[in-house]
Amino acid sequence: SAVISQKPSRDICQRGTSLTIQCQVDSQVTMMFWYRQQPGQSLTLIATANQGSEATYESGFVIDKFPISRPNLTFSTLTVSNMSPEDSSIYLCSVGRGHTDTQYFGPGTRLTVL
Amino acid sequence: ILNVEQSPQSLHVQEGDSTNFTCSFPSSNFYALHWYRWETAKSPKALFVMTLNGDEKKKGRISATLNTKEGYSYLYIKGSQPEDSATYLCAFKDSGYALNFGKGTSLLVTP
Repeated sequence: SAVISQKPSRDICQRGTSLTIQCQVDSQVTMMFWYRQQPGQSLTLIATANQGSEATYESGFVIDKFPISRPNLTFSTLTVSNMSPEDSSIYLCSVGRGHTDTQYFGPGTRLTVL
Repeated sequence: ILNVEQSPQSLHVQEGDSTNFTCSFPSSNFYALHWYRWETAKSPKALFVMTLNGDEKKKGRISATLNTKEGYSYLYIKGSQPEDSATYLCAFKDSGYALNFGKGTSLLVTP
């Protein structure tokens, strides 16, 4: 299993600003994932973050809007840049190994953009 | 975009009632079906990872079945308790990295 913490747990931000979300895992993992859930929508994968390489973004998500860092095997950050109210979501990081293994999630960051 | 549907969207039952939810998913390129339980302000917690057609899994009062040929899974809760109140998510896994989630079923159990 893995224990994941996220900071901040919630924030209220102004339009046009940026917020960096931190994700810390209690063990070394190769792959970390960033998801978001917009109100009334499904959890959706933003990107996969591998240590030592560029993050891989899903369709509809770009690095300029959601830059990701992965400096080591236990830590990652996701920045939500130039925020608009449409970015109001819950952002979660997660870790998992294989297709049939359990994926573990952090408690999420609840972001409201005014 | 993979279409994962969950029904009902929400459910309100009395303590002691048994209930079930449905998850439908694509029947092709199937690797696994995950069920999660998500309480507000907490991490989604894995309930089951199911991989084989016909699989049935049980954990206490909660059980799940899987039909990969027709693309559906059922989650059952026997004798619901107020602490079962949460959102139940299913997620389909194909050969990609992403878990493809449904929108969830929100369960409220009242005493």
